[in-house]
Order: sequence, then structure tokens, then C-alpha cells
Amino acid sequence: GENVEQHPSTLSVQEGDSAVIKCTYSDSASNYFPWYKQELGKRPQLIIDIRSNVGEKKDQRIAVTLNKTAKHFSLHITETQPEDSAVYFCAATLSSNTGKLIFGQGTTLQVKP
Amino acid sequence: ETGVTQTPRHLVMGMTNKKSLKCEQHLGHNAMYWYKQSAKKPLELMFVYSLEERVENNSVPSRFSPECPNSSHLFLHLHTLQPEDSALYLCASRGRQGGNSPLHFGNGTRLTVT
Repeated sequence: GENVEQHPSTLSVQEGDSAVIKCTYSDSASNYFPWYKQELGKRPQLIIDIRSNVGEKKDQRIAVTLNKTAKHFSLHITETQPEDSAVYFCAATLSSNTGKLIFGQGTTLQVKP
Repeated sequence: ETGVTQTPRHLVMGMTNKKSLKCEQHLGHNAMYWYKQSAKKPLELMFVYSLEERVENNSVPSRFSPECPNSSHLFLHLHTLQPEDSALYLCASRGRQGGNSPLHFGNGTRLTVT
């Protein structure tokens, strides 16, 4: 069926190191891939997104790469800071008509000072 | 202010109660969503409304009944719930760009079924 797999489920890094979270999707028609950050007790918030006509996108310390052939995309956070600690979700839109957005299982990132 | 407002923030209800969750968006979006977020599980899509028409019903039990009276308001009516329905219920909206635009989430309703 339609699903998005996300790894790892937990990730612990030292402050200043890089963090990478990977997702794979099953539907080759997927064309939109957002990433959300959810801090404890708060709503998910969009941090970056990428569309299928682009292979890479960067916004300051955050970057996303997309490999359509392999059907996977990744989130890269450089120079991590304690405030980056949160749960990160990847997602993929499966249909541009209904806008159905399927989420990965989430990655709990802990940045140790 | 997120642009998507959910009420109540917290709800405790018994299994025989009837309650409703409310969501309101002030972003001019034309699609609204209900997601369920349980511990150690991904966000589960429940319902999608586009232009006030339900376009997705993700095999959700009938004890959850959505209602979308207009493009700015979305309700989730709850009836005879089970303890396993305890979760954070998130409402989201999306703009007129359709599937290639981000969801904007509300702060959620934390539901506890006793």
C-alpha cells in the first residue's frame, strides 16, 4: 500500500555535529515532500519542503535532497543546536487532486550540549 | 496565532459520551484535514475535505463523524469512543495550490477516553 518509511526512529548527536534523517516512499507518483518539526506539546511545523522537479533545496542549516529514481529523500541539519531537539516527520503527497499527505513514523532528535 | 484554531485543547470523556471537536482556519484555504497522533505512531490521516466535500475517508470507524459546513470550519463528532481512541487530534488546512503546498496544523485537541 501507500506508505512512507522513516529512519532512524531516534538520533542523538553532539551540539555542532550534523544530523541526517532518511525517508523512502512507495508511490512513484508522489511529487511533494515536506518536513515537519514537532516540539514537545506543540503542533507540527513545516521547516522545509521540496517538489519533484528539484533535487536539492537548502535553507540556512537545513537541506533536503530528493532521489526520485530510488524514491527516497533526506533531511540534513548542519551545526546542530540544542533547540533543534524535537521530533521530525517526513511526508509525501500521493495525489495532487485530493492532497492526501502520508507521514513517516517520526525521528526523535536529541542534540546534547 | 497559527491561523488554524482548535477547541477544546483538552477533552476527557467517558465511553458513552457525545462530544465534538472544532477547527477553524483563517488562511483562506480550501482543504481541511483531520489527523490522529498516538504515542509511538505516525500521524494517521482520518479525513480530507476539499471545497467542503469529503474526498478521503481513511477507513475510520463510524464512531468518528466529520462535518464541514463551510471552507473555514471543520468538526469531528465523537460518539461511544473506546480507550484506544485517546490521542492528540490535529486539524490542518491547505491552500488552493492543492497537493503541492504545505499543511498548516492547529495546536490539536488532547483527547482522553475513560
